[in-house]
Amino acid sequence: DGGITQSPKYLFRKEGQNVTLSCEQNLNHDAMYWYRQDPGQGLRLIYYSQIVNDFQKGDIAEGYSVSREKKESFPLTVTSAQKNPTAFYLCASSLDQGSGNTIYFGEGSWLTVV
Amino acid sequence: DQQVKQNSPSLSVQEGRISILNCDYTNSMFDYFLWYKKYPAEGPTFLISISSIKDKNEDGRFTVFLNKSAKHLSLHIVPSQPGDSAVYFCAASAGGTSYGKLTFGQGTILTVHP
Repeated sequence: DGGITQSPKYLFRKEGQNVTLSCEQNLNHDAMYWYRQDPGQGLRLIYYSQIVNDFQKGDIAEGYSVSREKKESFPLTVTSAQKNPTAFYLCASSLDQGSGNTIYFGEGSWLTVV
Repeated sequence: DQQVKQNSPSLSVQEGRISILNCDYTNSMFDYFLWYKKYPAEGPTFLISISSIKDKNEDGRFTVFLNKSAKHLSLHIVPSQPGDSAVYFCAASAGGTSYGKLTFGQGTILTVHP
């Protein structure tokens, strides 16, 4: 089945640790994205990538890092510099950034700082 | 700066009636709009979209209306079903290389009572 797979679903992090959230897609989509959702808020864009080996900061990139070494993979690292990392993280992809392309989302990953 | 706003945090309707979810935007560069449905702890699911060259788009029970002059869009669900109970997000994107970068509203919780 084609889709976007995020792992782990739930992750606990100690203060000062870096953690990496995995995102894999087998839809042959060119563009991939990471969004963050906080309670009562909409989704906010962290990073996005239009093609392999290229990525751009979104609206709230501070404290995060990404890589795009393969078309199907776009891992997100939440660094210790991220002041408030507890949130629901969503990976997404779209065919390209052409006109009117729909973004499809993974199931999300819950990150909790303990 | 909230460029996409859903001013109603929640909406409650009776099964079989119409649900109308509203969304306002401020950025006149937005030219593609989408509605997503989301259950707790899951990724958003794409519902329906509309390009700014149209003022209406229908897909089964779902219709999206766009009023460009008022910078307002709405999602109509007719008839509403209990399974429609979820959080609904509207999202918008601008043209050119910004396609795929979505700006989301805060979401509206829809509850459909049997």
